[in-house]
Amino acid sequence: KQEVTQIPAALSVPEGENLVLNCSFTDSAIYNLQWFRQDPGKGLTSLLLIQSSQREQTSGRLNASLDKSSGRSTLYIAASQPGDSATYLCVPEGNTPLVFGKGTRLSVIA
Amino acid sequence: GAVVSQHPSRVICKSGTSVKIECRSLDFQATTMFWYRQFPKQSLMLMATSNEGSKATYEQGVEKDKFLINHASLTLSTLTVTSAHPEDSSFYICSASDEGFSYEQYFGPGTRLTVT
Repeated sequence: KQEVTQIPAALSVPEGENLVLNCSFTDSAIYNLQWFRQDPGKGLTSLLLIQSSQREQTSGRLNASLDKSSGRSTLYIAASQPGDSATYLCVPEGNTPLVFGKGTRLSVIA
Repeated sequence: GAVVSQHPSRVICKSGTSVKIECRSLDFQATTMFWYRQFPKQSLMLMATSNEGSKATYEQGVEKDKFLINHASLTLSTLTVTSAHPEDSSFYICSASDEGFSYEQYFGPGTRLTVT
């Protein structure tokens, strides 16, 4: 059974800092891994999708890496802004049903 | 922790028929529920936000007349795929928000819809 752990659970940083969110998963037999952001009261917004054959994906200030064999993914946010404040979820997808971690709650302080 | 169930887990239907999917929050009241769709090997995409007692808010590109959402109580939201076609075959997943805990979302196990 897939289990997802995200560290840290919460993070508060001053504006402008670069930061890394960590995700680990127990079953490495995945097709892809997705990173989402969740704003309070809103649905998930897809940020990046990394196929199992890829090592990283980039979108603007976001860079996600995937090390499938070790069951790890990281989301790097460059030059953080207050608008980045949200909860970030990583979701690996494989033969098992989607498993959602608890996420990392990020606060970027102006 | 909070539990969200979906029924059915799998459904196969013929083209042109309608299919109803239920999403229930089992041990908490959910003012807001979300419906997502995922095509194979693609990202999970938000379809609509369902608020108890009011009309759902649909994301751009999602046909509200085809995907009927009803959120009649604080523990139940339904998604009806009307006049289903093979291209509607997908994985549908709901989540429920417990606004008493900073809007944390709890996800159902999903429903695999196959339209033949």
